[in-house]
Amino acid sequence: GAGVSQTPSNKVTEKGKYVELRCDPISGHTALYWYRQSLGQGPEFLIYFQGTGAADDSGLPNDRFFAVRPEGSVSTLKIQRTERGDSAVYLCASSLSAGSYEQYFGPGTRLTVT
Amino acid sequence: AQSVSQHNHHVILSEAASLELGCNYSYGGTVNLFWYVQYPGQHLQLLLKYFSGDPLVKGIKGFEAEFIKSKFSFNLRKPSVQWSDTAEYFCAVNALMSGTYKYIFGTGTRLKVLA
Repeated sequence: GAGVSQTPSNKVTEKGKYVELRCDPISGHTALYWYRQSLGQGPEFLIYFQGTGAADDSGLPNDRFFAVRPEGSVSTLKIQRTERGDSAVYLCASSLSAGSYEQYFGPGTRLTVT
Repeated sequence: AQSVSQHNHHVILSEAASLELGCNYSYGGTVNLFWYVQYPGQHLQLLLKYFSGDPLVKGIKGFEAEFIKSKFSFNLRKPSVQWSDTAEYFCAVNALMSGTYKYIFGTGTRLKVLA
C-alpha cells in the first residue's frame, strides 16, 4: 500500500514568511509524528498526535511552530515568521498507535529559509 | 534529560568485515529500542526492534542487536558487511514517561563499506 507522503518535497522561503508542510500518513495509522533533522544530526522530536489530539508537543521549539491534525489523518506543520535557523529537513512518520509500534517515515520536506 | 548516544559517527569498513555500532541510552525505566537505517536517497526504515523477551533480536539483511539492560546498551552487529550496507544508522528509544511516550533518536553513524 501507499507509504507516508509529504508535500512539498522542497520549500524555499524568505525569512519572516509563513510556511505549511503537509503529511499524509498510512491509512489506519492513528499515531503521527513530526521530527526535524539538521545536517549531521538525528531526527529531533517535535510533536506527536494520537488521533486528532496532540499527545505531546514538548519538542516544538517555540510558539512560531504549530501543528494540526483535524480529522485524525492528514497533518499540517505550520511555521510562522520563519528564521534562517528553521532550515532543516522536516520528517513525518506514522504508526498503528503510539508506543512500541514501528514508525514509518516519509521522504521529508527540505525547508530552506533565505 | 533522557538521551541516546552513538559514539561512532563515521565508520569505514571493507567488505566482509564485521560491524558493531554502539548505542547507549540514559533512562532507567522500561524502554522500547529501535535501529533505523537510511540508505542514500531513501527514507528512514526500520532495521530491527526490541520490546521484551529475548534480548538478542534479529532484523533484516543479517543485522542483529543485543539489549544489555545493565549497560543501558543496544549495540548493532553484523558478522560480514556488504557494499550495499553503506548507509546511515540511527538508534532510537521510546519510553512511557509521565503518561506520554517520549521518542529520542541518536545522532547517527555513517557507515561506508568499501568494495
